Amino acid sequence: DGGITQSPKYLFRKEGQNVTLSCEQNLNHDAMYWYRQDPGQGLRLIYYSQIVNDFQKGDIAEGYSVSREKKESFPLTVTSAQKNPTAFYLCASSDLGLAGSYNEQFFGPGTRLTVL
Amino acid sequence: KNQVEQSPQSLIILEGKNCTLQCNYTVSPFSNLRWYKQDTGRGPVSLTIMTFSENTKSNGRYTATLDADTKQSSLHITASQLSDSASYICVVSARGSYIPTFGRGTSLIVHP
Repeated sequence: DGGITQSPKYLFRKEGQNVTLSCEQNLNHDAMYWYRQDPGQGLRLIYYSQIVNDFQKGDIAEGYSVSREKKESFPLTVTSAQKNPTAFYLCASSDLGLAGSYNEQFFGPGTRLTVL
Repeated sequence: KNQVEQSPQSLIILEGKNCTLQCNYTVSPFSNLRWYKQDTGRGPVSLTIMTFSENTKSNGRYTATLDADTKQSSLHITASQLSDSASYICVVSARGSYIPTFGRGTSLIVHP
């Protein structure tokens, strides 16, 4: 059963704590992405990775960190430096064909993070 | 700057009625446009994808159209069902980029 999994589905964090969101895919996709979604706003890109051991900052990378040690995994850490982390976080993956070609993004089910 | 604008922001219709959602974009050079459906609290799921040469594509009761000259797309939902209640997101990719541009979505509510 191929797809993208994210865990946990719900996560609660106290102020000052770092938390790590998991994202795993078995679609053999090269590229993986992390997005943040707030009510009434479009998806905003946090980080993306096109190859193992390499990743790029997106539009809102401050206060977040990632790693890409395995092709299948792209965990996101929300650090205490992120001042407003309460949001819905979505992980996606895609093939790397020609840039801008039919490289459809497949999304995971999301993790809802709440800061207490 | 690449932008995708969707309208209306929200829409309420009665079950069984048709509706049309709009998407205008300024992404250039254009590669493809996708419509996603996102149920509340879930990840987006792709409905249709169209390239420059395609001006219409259907997926069951969903029909997407594309006018590359005016940079507009629409998603038409026929005979709406309660399960169509969701957010519909327009996503446009540019040639030479792996990072698509997302619209803010249209929230559709279908009432019985």
